[in-house]
Amino acid sequence: RKEVEQDPGPFNVPEGATVAFNCTYSNSASQSFFWYRQDCRKEPKLLMSVYSSGNEDGRFTAQLNRASQYISLLIRDSKLSDSATYLCVVSRGGGGNKLTFGTGTQLKVEL
Amino acid sequence: SQTIHQWPATLVQPVGSPLSLECTVEGTSNPNLYWYRQAAGRGLQLLFYSVGIGQISSEVPQNLSASRPQDRQFILSSKKLLLSDSGFYLCAWSDPRLAVSYEQYFGPGTRLTVT
Repeated sequence: RKEVEQDPGPFNVPEGATVAFNCTYSNSASQSFFWYRQDCRKEPKLLMSVYSSGNEDGRFTAQLNRASQYISLLIRDSKLSDSATYLCVVSRGGGGNKLTFGTGTQLKVEL
Repeated sequence: SQTIHQWPATLVQPVGSPLSLECTVEGTSNPNLYWYRQAAGRGLQLLFYSVGIGQISSEVPQNLSASRPQDRQFILSSKKLLLSDSGFYLCAWSDPRLAVSYEQYFGPGTRLTVT
């Protein structure tokens, strides 16, 4: 089983739609969780951290279910500029504050 | 504010040639530093990380090596490149002193093609 699993997509949605991405992780000891965004041929950029209580940043809402080892990202009112690959990321054990990255879910927002 | 630089942006090298990629961070001290590789259509693979000058941990055995000669400088090297070394190489940093110490910030990357 992969440490972090995501549906690769692509998710093709019209502008203004609401879209949700899901992610599962295998390491029950993981303590920190993130969503990163990666544009084509660019570096990943931190989108938001994910907290047990859930958190919202504008049109983006992230949820964490530790019992099910499940993370979600909801994007409301999709914009063309939201088109990118969204990476689910969890912390790893051992030193160095290491992260494990999922392979990403591709989102294409269309007119 | 902190910034991270990588160079070169793109590189085309023949099989068997040496490699040296450099990463520097500005605006912080004693960062954790990381080298990742992203092969075409694949996820990020952690290659090396460093928690201090001269301290290098390798994640995946391969023909690459890393060095940290200065606090904010991280170098990825190879003596002889293989075709399988092609990919997008990303350097990242995090601040181990912060409560959000797991947050990592990436440089713009180097796209390496081995021919």
